[in-house]
This record gives sequence, structure tokens and C-alpha cells, in this order.
Amino acid sequence: QVQLQESGPGLVKPSETLSLTCAVSGYSISSGYYWGWIRQPPGKGLEWIGSIYHSGSTYYNPSLKSRVTISVDTSKNQFSLKLSSVTAADTAVYYCARPLIPRLDAFDIWGQGTMVTVSS
Amino acid sequence: EIVMTQSPATLSVSPGERATLSCRASQSVSSNLAWYQQKPGQAPRLLIYGASTRATGIPARFSGSGSGTEFTLTISSLQSEDFAVYYCQQYNNWLALSFGGGTKVEIK
Repeated sequence: QVQLQESGPGLVKPSETLSLTCAVSGYSISSGYYWGWIRQPPGKGLEWIGSIYHSGSTYYNPSLKSRVTISVDTSKNQFSLKLSSVTAADTAVYYCARPLIPRLDAFDIWGQGTMVTVSS
Repeated sequence: EIVMTQSPATLSVSPGERATLSCRASQSVSSNLAWYQQKPGQAPRLLIYGASTRATGIPARFSGSGSGTEFTLTISSLQSEDFAVYYCQQYNNWLALSFGGGTKVEIK
């Protein structure tokens, strides 16, 4: 079955760039779907960060757009998130996810999430 | 941006009772509305999509209704494993997907 696994540093310094990767298994990214990133600050709700199609087409949350870059590497079957100029407010569990159908939709497959703390 | 507002923030319910959760959109999202369940330390789990269609493997005690701006998730008879936080999400506006703030269902 399709599985997603996030990876990346658990600690990032303020003003630096947060970088995470989501490895996909059980499905070829090249076959389609918009692949998404969602985050959740400790004790708070969910926030969509953005989504990318296998072709590289992206949609970003307008509130984060100036700092976010999502890219895809079909050769490695993974996609990545970069968030620049981070502050403590970016401390969160970051999830990657795949929607139910090949468009921007409800997310039915999620990674386990990775906690990223922004602190000096 | 479409703002999703969930109410109440916390719902205290006894096992076996019915729970009714609400989600309101700041503008119409048609039926492009999903519900998720999240337990501590776990990723969200899709329960309902298309406002009223249960996802694969979701028990029939979970039902969704509504369209436009007003939506409801009903859990007909709460089981111990249903105590969790529930989120709604709209996917009508592709430029900005958005989630509600969540409703925590706790044991009364």
C-alpha cells in the first residue's frame, strides 16, 4: 500500500531554512496526484502549507507563499519542503499527505509526521 | 481565503450517546468538505469526504451532512475509541485549502 515518510532535521535555528523530505513508497509520484504538506503547531490545529503535482505545478498557502518552496524529485520518488526565515511560530509537526483522488482534495494518506523545533 | 469555524470547541459526551459537531464556512464550499479524526500523537485520519461519504473502513456510526456553508458530523453512539479531536477541511478553493480549528470530543 502507499506509504509516506517524512525526514529532516528536528531542530532549526531562527532565520534559517527548514528543509524536509517526504519519501513515497507503494506508488510512483510520476503517476499523478497533488502531494501535500500540512503542519500542526503543538496543541493547535492543522494548517495546509502547499501541494505539488508530479509535473511540478504548485499551490501554496497565501499566508506562507513568500517563504515556501515545494519541489518534487520523481527519480527518487519523493517531494520536499523548504520554509525560509523560520521563527518560533514555525515550530510544529510537519506532515506530508496524498489526497483521495488526483486533484486537490481531502487527504486520505498521511505520513506519521515529524516534529521540527525552531530554537537557537 | 475561506475561514472554517468549528463548534463547539469541546464537547463532553457519555459513551453510547450521540455527538453532533458543526463546521461553518465563511463562503460556500459546495460539498467539498472533509472531516478528520485525530488522536494524540497520531496523524489525522480521513472520516468523511464530499460532505457525506464515508472513507474506506469508517464505521457507519459516523455520518456527515450539509452543503454550502453549514456542515455537521454526527457520531450516532460514541464508542471509547471515538474520543478524539475532529477537524473539518474545505477543498473547494484550490488556491487555499483550509481546516477548521477542531472540536475535542471528551468523555463526560
